[in-house]
Amino acid sequence: ETGVTQSPTHLIKTRGQQVTLRCSSQSGHNTVSWYQQALGQGPQFIFQYYREEENGRGNFPPRFSGLQFPNYSSELNVNALELDDSALYLCASSSLADTGQYFGPGTRLTVL
Amino acid sequence: QKEVEQDPGPLSVPEGAIVSLNCTYSNSAFQYFMWYRQYSRKGPELLMYTYSSGNKEDGRFTAQVDKSSKYISLFIRDSQPSDSATYLCAHRGGAAGNKLTFGGGTRVLVKP
Repeated sequence: ETGVTQSPTHLIKTRGQQVTLRCSSQSGHNTVSWYQQALGQGPQFIFQYYREEENGRGNFPPRFSGLQFPNYSSELNVNALELDDSALYLCASSSLADTGQYFGPGTRLTVL
Repeated sequence: QKEVEQDPGPLSVPEGAIVSLNCTYSNSAFQYFMWYRQYSRKGPELLMYTYSSGNKEDGRFTAQVDKSSKYISLFIRDSQPSDSATYLCAHRGGAAGNKLTFGGGTRVLVKP
């Protein structure tokens, strides 16, 4: 069984740029959720995708957008980067019937 | 008031001691509760989840939910230095799909 993978591991961008982060879900999972984790804090829910449709969104502005593909992998796009976007971005996969969400290792984004 | 609150710690214990971790939550409608372990610069790892009230045991770990006081606990018996990590509690549910809402995490240090 393959776990959740994310790429890239680290990324450095400058303010105003755009970034795309990628996630491959665990085998058998059809739901992907994205979270932002600032240093020293718990993860904050960004949004969730189920069968290529957005299935819930947290309190993040529209410049945070996403996609889910037919193979259930997913992308998180962030436009017009701000300094406060510097964080660990986590992807978690699950099936709707499963209580648990299983996280990838994360992508550490630094905005200068 | 935050939906889920945890003492940030750090909580320092000697090897072999029982680690006791607690969270409080605000919404009595919450039913699914999880505990995650997160090592430095890694993604959270699901340890246990519980539904509604009661206890659940898995090896050295015991999770408890007390819905009357809106209190969830995790106990780690016979603690090991490898248990040194940040422990995150979370609940699943809410208006936005099956999002997880996390506490801020408690840092635990088990000293040899």
